[in-house]
Amino acid sequence: DTEVTQTPKHLVMGMTNKKSLKCEQHMGHRAMYWYKQKAKKPPELMFVYSYEKLSINESVPSRFSPECPNSSLLNLHLHALQPEDSALYLCASSQDGAGKGGANVLTFGAGSRLTVL
Amino acid sequence: RKEVEQDPGPFNVPEGATVAFNCTYSNSASQSFFWYRQDCRKEPKLLMSVYSSGNEDGRFTAQLNRASQYISLLIRDSKLSDSATYLCVVIGGATNKLIFGTGTLLAVQP
Repeated sequence: DTEVTQTPKHLVMGMTNKKSLKCEQHMGHRAMYWYKQKAKKPPELMFVYSYEKLSINESVPSRFSPECPNSSLLNLHLHALQPEDSALYLCASSQDGAGKGGANVLTFGAGSRLTVL
Repeated sequence: RKEVEQDPGPFNVPEGATVAFNCTYSNSASQSFFWYRQDCRKEPKLLMSVYSSGNEDGRFTAQLNRASQYISLLIRDSKLSDSATYLCVVIGGATNKLIFGTGTLLAVQP
Protein backbone atom coordinates (compact mmCIF):
# COMPACT_ATOMS: atom_id res chain seq x y z
CA ASP A 1 0.00 0.00 0.00
CA THR A 2 1.25 3.44 -0.93
CA GLU A 3 1.91 5.89 1.92
CA VAL A 4 0.45 8.73 -0.12
CA THR A 5 -3.29 8.36 -0.51
CA GLN A 6 -5.20 9.95 -3.36
CA THR A 7 -8.95 10.18 -3.85
CA PRO A 8 -10.86 9.60 -5.96
CA LYS A 9 -9.09 6.92 -8.01
CA HIS A 10 -11.26 7.73 -11.02
CA LEU A 11 -13.21 10.87 -11.87
CA VAL A 12 -15.36 11.70 -14.87
CA MET A 13 -16.52 15.29 -15.17
CA GLY A 14 -18.11 17.64 -17.64
CA MET A 15 -16.52 20.87 -18.75
CA THR A 16 -18.82 22.93 -16.55
CA ASN A 17 -18.35 20.87 -13.38
CA LYS A 18 -16.35 21.78 -10.30
CA LYS A 19 -14.54 18.93 -8.60
CA SER A 20 -11.55 18.38 -6.35
CA LEU A 21 -8.75 15.84 -6.11
CA LYS A 22 -7.41 15.07 -2.66
CA CYS A 23 -4.06 13.84 -1.42
CA GLU A 24 -2.93 12.89 2.07
CA GLN A 25 0.37 11.76 3.57
CA HIS A 26 1.33 11.03 7.17
CA MET A 27 5.07 10.57 6.76
CA GLY A 28 5.90 14.03 8.11
CA HIS A 29 7.05 15.14 4.67
CA ARG A 30 7.25 18.90 4.22
CA ALA A 31 7.03 19.14 0.45
CA MET A 32 4.06 18.03 -1.64
CA TYR A 33 3.64 18.00 -5.40
CA TRP A 34 1.03 17.71 -8.13
CA TYR A 35 2.07 16.08 -11.39
CA LYS A 36 0.07 15.47 -14.56
CA GLN A 37 0.82 12.43 -16.69
CA LYS A 38 -0.52 11.67 -20.15
CA ALA A 39 -0.26 8.20 -21.66
CA LYS A 40 3.27 7.15 -22.62
CA LYS A 41 4.72 10.43 -21.32
CA PRO A 42 6.68 11.18 -18.15
CA PRO A 43 5.03 13.03 -15.26
CA GLU A 44 4.92 16.81 -15.76
CA LEU A 45 5.28 19.00 -12.69
CA MET A 46 2.34 21.32 -11.99
CA PHE A 47 2.75 22.67 -8.45
CA VAL A 48 5.03 22.31 -5.46
CA TYR A 49 4.18 23.20 -1.88
CA SER A 50 7.00 23.55 0.59
CA TYR A 51 6.15 23.94 4.27
CA GLU A 52 2.53 24.58 3.25
CA LYS A 53 3.45 27.46 0.94
CA LEU A 54 3.20 27.36 -2.83
CA SER A 55 6.80 27.44 -4.05
CA ILE A 56 6.48 26.43 -7.69
CA ASN A 57 3.67 26.93 -10.21
CA GLU A 58 4.72 25.66 -13.61
CA SER A 59 2.52 28.15 -15.50
CA VAL A 60 -0.52 25.98 -14.94
CA PRO A 61 -3.85 27.37 -16.25
CA SER A 62 -6.05 28.93 -13.57
CA ARG A 63 -8.71 26.27 -14.09
CA PHE A 64 -6.43 24.19 -11.82
CA SER A 65 -6.26 25.61 -8.31
CA PRO A 66 -4.09 23.96 -5.65
CA GLU A 67 -4.66 24.21 -1.93
CA CYS A 68 -2.61 22.99 1.02
CA PRO A 69 -4.82 23.13 4.17
CA ASN A 70 -2.05 21.64 6.35
CA SER A 71 1.22 19.79 6.08
CA SER A 72 -0.51 16.44 5.48
CA LEU A 73 -3.13 17.44 2.92
CA LEU A 74 -2.99 18.72 -0.64
CA ASN A 75 -5.99 19.42 -2.83
CA LEU A 76 -6.38 20.26 -6.49
CA HIS A 77 -9.57 22.11 -7.34
CA LEU A 78 -10.83 21.70 -10.88
CA HIS A 79 -13.18 24.03 -12.72
CA ALA A 80 -14.10 24.50 -16.38
CA LEU A 81 -11.64 21.86 -17.57
CA GLN A 82 -11.12 20.90 -21.19
CA PRO A 83 -11.07 17.39 -22.68
CA GLU A 84 -7.30 17.71 -23.20
CA ASP A 85 -6.96 17.94 -19.41
CA SER A 86 -7.87 14.26 -19.20
CA ALA A 87 -4.87 12.52 -17.65
CA LEU A 88 -3.53 10.76 -14.59
CA TYR A 89 -2.96 13.27 -11.78
CA LEU A 90 -0.25 12.18 -9.39
CA CYS A 91 0.40 13.57 -5.96
CA ALA A 92 3.82 13.09 -4.41
CA SER A 93 5.62 14.09 -1.24
CA SER A 94 9.24 14.38 -0.17
CA GLN A 95 10.95 14.79 3.16
CA ASP A 96 12.78 18.04 2.47
CA GLY A 97 11.20 21.26 1.35
CA ALA A 98 11.58 21.88 -2.35
CA GLY A 99 14.39 24.27 -3.13
CA LYS A 100 16.67 22.91 -0.44
CA GLY A 101 19.89 21.12 -1.25
CA GLY A 102 20.29 17.42 -1.09
CA ALA A 103 18.29 14.55 -2.45
CA ASN A 104 14.51 14.77 -2.44
CA VAL A 105 13.16 11.28 -2.91
CA LEU A 106 9.56 11.41 -4.11
CA THR A 107 6.88 9.07 -2.83
CA PHE A 108 3.94 9.01 -5.21
CA GLY A 109 0.29 8.29 -4.62
CA ALA A 110 -1.53 5.87 -6.90
CA GLY A 111 -3.02 8.74 -8.86
CA SER A 112 -6.44 10.02 -9.82
CA ARG A 113 -7.44 9.19 -13.38
CA LEU A 114 -9.44 12.11 -14.71
CA THR A 115 -11.66 12.07 -17.78
CA VAL A 116 -13.18 15.34 -18.99
CA LEU A 117 -16.13 14.95 -21.34
CA ARG B 1 17.71 19.64 -26.51
CA LYS B 2 15.64 18.25 -23.65
CA GLU B 3 17.08 18.60 -20.16
CA VAL B 4 16.92 14.86 -19.50
CA GLU B 5 16.78 12.36 -22.35
CA GLN B 6 16.29 8.62 -22.58
CA ASP B 7 15.91 6.14 -25.41
CA PRO B 8 12.15 5.42 -25.32
CA GLY B 9 12.64 1.83 -26.48
CA PRO B 10 10.93 -0.56 -26.31
CA PHE B 11 13.74 -2.84 -25.30
CA ASN B 12 12.54 -6.39 -25.93
CA VAL B 13 14.83 -8.88 -24.20
CA PRO B 14 14.53 -12.56 -23.29
CA GLU B 15 14.39 -13.72 -19.70
CA GLY B 16 17.85 -14.00 -18.21
CA ALA B 17 19.36 -11.34 -20.46
CA THR B 18 21.39 -8.37 -19.30
CA VAL B 19 20.09 -5.00 -20.42
CA ALA B 20 21.38 -1.45 -19.93
CA PHE B 21 19.73 1.95 -20.25
CA ASN B 22 21.36 5.34 -20.42
CA CYS B 23 19.99 8.73 -19.48
CA THR B 24 21.72 11.96 -20.51
CA TYR B 25 21.28 15.32 -18.80
CA SER B 26 22.17 18.77 -20.03
CA ASN B 27 22.71 20.72 -16.80
CA SER B 28 26.24 20.16 -15.53
CA ALA B 29 25.20 21.58 -12.14
CA SER B 30 22.81 18.65 -11.54
CA GLN B 31 23.41 17.16 -8.14
CA SER B 32 21.18 14.17 -7.48
CA PHE B 33 20.11 11.30 -9.67
CA PHE B 34 17.57 8.53 -9.37
CA TRP B 35 15.98 5.69 -11.27
CA TYR B 36 12.23 5.18 -10.89
CA ARG B 37 10.17 2.32 -12.21
CA GLN B 38 6.59 2.72 -13.44
CA ASP B 39 4.33 -0.22 -14.20
CA CYS B 40 1.48 0.21 -16.67
CA ARG B 41 -1.30 2.41 -15.19
CA LYS B 42 0.51 2.64 -11.84
CA GLU B 43 2.47 5.36 -10.10
CA PRO B 44 6.26 5.71 -10.39
CA LYS B 45 8.20 4.07 -7.56
CA LEU B 46 11.79 4.68 -6.56
CA LEU B 47 14.06 1.92 -7.81
CA MET B 48 17.37 3.29 -6.62
CA SER B 49 19.37 6.43 -6.07
CA VAL B 50 22.52 6.87 -8.13
CA TYR B 51 25.71 7.65 -6.23
CA SER B 52 28.90 9.15 -7.62
CA SER B 53 30.87 5.97 -7.02
CA GLY B 54 28.18 3.77 -8.55
CA ASN B 55 25.96 1.45 -6.56
CA GLU B 56 24.41 -1.96 -6.77
CA ASP B 57 21.18 -3.42 -5.41
CA GLY B 58 20.84 -7.10 -6.22
CA ARG B 59 20.53 -7.47 -9.99
CA PHE B 60 20.51 -3.70 -10.53
CA THR B 61 23.60 -1.51 -10.93
CA ALA B 62 23.52 2.25 -11.34
CA GLN B 63 26.42 4.37 -12.56
CA LEU B 64 27.03 8.10 -12.88
CA ASN B 65 29.39 9.63 -15.43
CA ARG B 66 29.67 13.33 -14.65
CA ALA B 67 32.21 14.03 -17.39
CA SER B 68 29.85 12.80 -20.09
CA GLN B 69 26.71 13.80 -18.17
CA TYR B 70 24.86 10.54 -18.16
CA ILE B 71 23.61 7.93 -15.75
CA SER B 72 23.07 4.28 -16.51
CA LEU B 73 21.06 1.39 -15.19
CA LEU B 74 22.16 -2.21 -15.73
CA ILE B 75 19.76 -5.08 -15.07
CA ARG B 76 21.24 -8.57 -14.92
CA ASP B 77 19.33 -11.85 -15.24
CA SER B 78 16.13 -10.11 -16.39
CA LYS B 79 12.84 -11.38 -15.00
CA LEU B 80 9.39 -11.11 -16.53
CA SER B 81 8.48 -8.89 -13.57
CA ASP B 82 11.12 -6.36 -14.63
CA SER B 83 8.88 -5.34 -17.55
CA ALA B 84 8.04 -1.68 -16.91
CA THR B 85 8.98 1.84 -17.90
CA TYR B 86 12.20 3.06 -16.30
CA LEU B 87 12.36 6.80 -15.64
CA CYS B 88 15.50 8.66 -14.73
CA VAL B 89 15.18 11.71 -12.50
CA VAL B 90 17.73 14.48 -12.21
CA ILE B 91 17.78 17.23 -9.58
CA GLY B 92 19.81 20.35 -9.86
CA GLY B 93 20.19 23.78 -11.28
CA ALA B 94 19.02 27.05 -9.81
CA THR B 95 15.55 25.85 -8.93
CA ASN B 96 16.61 22.44 -7.59
CA LYS B 97 13.65 20.94 -9.41
CA LEU B 98 13.19 17.25 -10.09
CA ILE B 99 13.21 16.62 -13.84
CA PHE B 100 11.96 13.36 -15.29
CA GLY B 101 13.41 11.76 -18.36
CA THR B 102 11.07 10.55 -21.07
CA GLY B 103 11.26 6.95 -19.85
CA THR B 104 12.49 3.70 -21.38
CA LEU B 105 10.08 0.84 -21.88
CA LEU B 106 11.44 -2.62 -21.09
CA ALA B 107 9.59 -5.78 -22.13
CA VAL B 108 11.09 -9.04 -20.90
CA GLN B 109 9.91 -11.97 -23.01
CA PRO B 110 9.51 -15.57 -21.77
